[in-house]
This record gives sequence, structure tokens and C-alpha cells, in this order.
Amino acid sequence: DAKTTQPPSMDCAEGRAANLPCNHSTISGNEYVYWYRQIHSQGPQYIIHGLKNNETNEMASLIITEDRKSSTLILPHATLRDTAVYYCIVRVADSWGKLQFGAGTQVVVTP
Amino acid sequence: SQTIHQWPATLVQPVGSPLSLECTVEGTSNPNLYWYRQAAGRGLQLLFYSVGIGQISSEVPQNLSASRPQDRQFILSSKKLLLSDSGFYLCAWAHAGGGSTPQHFGDGTRLSIL
Repeated sequence: DAKTTQPPSMDCAEGRAANLPCNHSTISGNEYVYWYRQIHSQGPQYIIHGLKNNETNEMASLIITEDRKSSTLILPHATLRDTAVYYCIVRVADSWGKLQFGAGTQVVVTP
Repeated sequence: SQTIHQWPATLVQPVGSPLSLECTVEGTSNPNLYWYRQAAGRGLQLLFYSVGIGQISSEVPQNLSASRPQDRQFILSSKKLLLSDSGFYLCAWAHAGGGSTPQHFGDGTRLSIL
């Protein structure tokens, strides 16, 4: 699976949109982009995933560039509860689906 | 809706003692099941996965083993724990057949070896 690069940390003001970047320049045509987050001492929480089209759900939006070499996770109105480590993962859609977690981005939402 | 349960939430064990962590999933049939470990300050590492009863695949060599005695039950075991087995153990499930379906994690067991 392709590797991803994320900034180690970023701050966001409460109520503002948080835009989390991820580079995956070696992504293959059959690899999906997944986003998870992990709040301290909890298990990772699935946020969203996509192949090439932009996706939106109740938690966030995922914007994937046309060349698929990078993506952005958007939290539209960040709250203090969004403080967490956010992981961008790419993987091939297969029968069992190994996830490879990197270091992620520590996002701190401040009042 | 589907739910995943892990227990215990925390565990302190002496070196050389046995281990049994249990994970169960409700609300789905024949899920793919996974055990991950997160060492302090590090990312998650896949240990085992299972696509059906009695079918276990190991990703890394270690003194841990996994079993799937029932469709929605996944157990992580060890006969003799090592200090290096300390960490945060997470169970996850995904719908059968894989594809792009995401994995969903439990709340984990924090294991400390003394």
C-alpha cells in the first residue's frame, strides 16, 4: 500500500473549519483513501473514505485532488471534542483490508 | 446497528503469566475480525486477522496467538507474557467480503506487564 505524509500537528480555533492535508503521491488506481481519528486512550474512529470523488458525511468532507496524489479532510465546524490524532491511510480494496497507520496529525482545537 | 465489545478495559499482569483478551461483535454476521497493538507513542500494528471461524492469519511473529471459536468472537492469548507485550490492544471488525468497507474499532484493552 502507498505511504502517506501528514503534518505532525496543527491547531484550529473552535467553530472554524479544520483542513487536514495528506500527501499520497505513490497511490495506485485501486487504492482508497481512509481517514480515522483517535481521541486519547480510545480506539480509532472511522471518519470517511473515498476513491477519487469527493465525499461528505455527517462528520466531515473528503476532497481528493484530480491526480489523487493528495487529499484534504475538512471538519466544517471544529469543536473541542474534535481534538485527536487524525490518520490518513491508503489501501487496496481487497478481501480482508490491512490498515497501516502512520504517525498522523495531532489536531488541537482551542476555544 | 453493529457494536463491538472488548474486555477488560485495563489489565496488569506479571511477566510469565498467561493472557486472554476477548472481543465480541453484535449486529452482523461473518465479519472480518482484527487484532491490533499500539505500543506507547507508536502507531497501530496489525497482529492477526480472521475472515471466518477457525481461520486465523498472523501478520507478525510473536508469542501471542489468536482464536475465533465463534462467528463473532475473537480471542487474543499468550501462554507467557513478556515485558514487550505491554501496549494498547485493539479489536476491529469489518463487513464480510472486504472490498473498500471500513474497519471499526473497539475501545481497547490497556495491558501493562510488570
